[in-house]
Amino acid sequence: EVQLVESGGGLVQPGGSLRLSCAASGFTFSDYWMIWVRQAPGKGLEWVANIKPDGSDKYFVDSVKGRFTISRDNAKNSLYLQMSSLGAEDTAVYYCASGGQQLVPGSLGYWGQGTLVTVSS
Amino acid sequence: QLVLTQSPSASASLGASVKLTCTLSSGYSIYAIAWHQQQPEKGPRYLMTVNSDGSHIKGDGIPDRFSGSSSGSERYLTISSLQSEDEADYYCQTWGTAILVFGGGTKLTVL
Repeated sequence: EVQLVESGGGLVQPGGSLRLSCAASGFTFSDYWMIWVRQAPGKGLEWVANIKPDGSDKYFVDSVKGRFTISRDNAKNSLYLQMSSLGAEDTAVYYCASGGQQLVPGSLGYWGQGTLVTVSS
Repeated sequence: QLVLTQSPSASASLGASVKLTCTLSSGYSIYAIAWHQQQPEKGPRYLMTVNSDGSHIKGDGIPDRFSGSSSGSERYLTISSLQSEDEADYYCQTWGTAILVFGGGTKLTVL
């Protein structure tokens, strides 16, 4: 059974930093694109970042470029999102999801349960 | 620019069928899309991928009541024999070389 379990969310002050983790199991993690998606309260889904299976390339939505970093440890079946210079607009539930195995991210076949990040003083 | 457009809301009666639409922006009519369901207070769940030729591949455990189809730049999700648990937000999603794009979502109400 595929499982994606996010952790690391919480309350952080504006300008602060936070590191999210996603533990994967039930599939060959190193074969798949991995993605972070967020959902602000009462809003739709927004792609945040993704990373190739071997970690060689990473892509970000414009609003987080220069502030967020995505990484993965294929030996530990883990995905990470390092977030810095956080603002109120980053308040959201952050989901980890698995993508495709090809040259492009593909469909998001599995999702985690999400972790809430609240940016507030 | 790769954009997905969905109607904000839809409704249908218990036991009936409903067809949700996701429209690809001009120039992207050959793109495949994925459908995801998000029930209230839950995380999203992958339903299926719909290709430009109308073929679709469903996710694990997705009931036969859910099907996909395509026409031109439009991708459809049809849910038949509607049940109360089908009341949810439905999002379409596609991808470019590196980016991902979501539609704004359709809130389905089961009457």
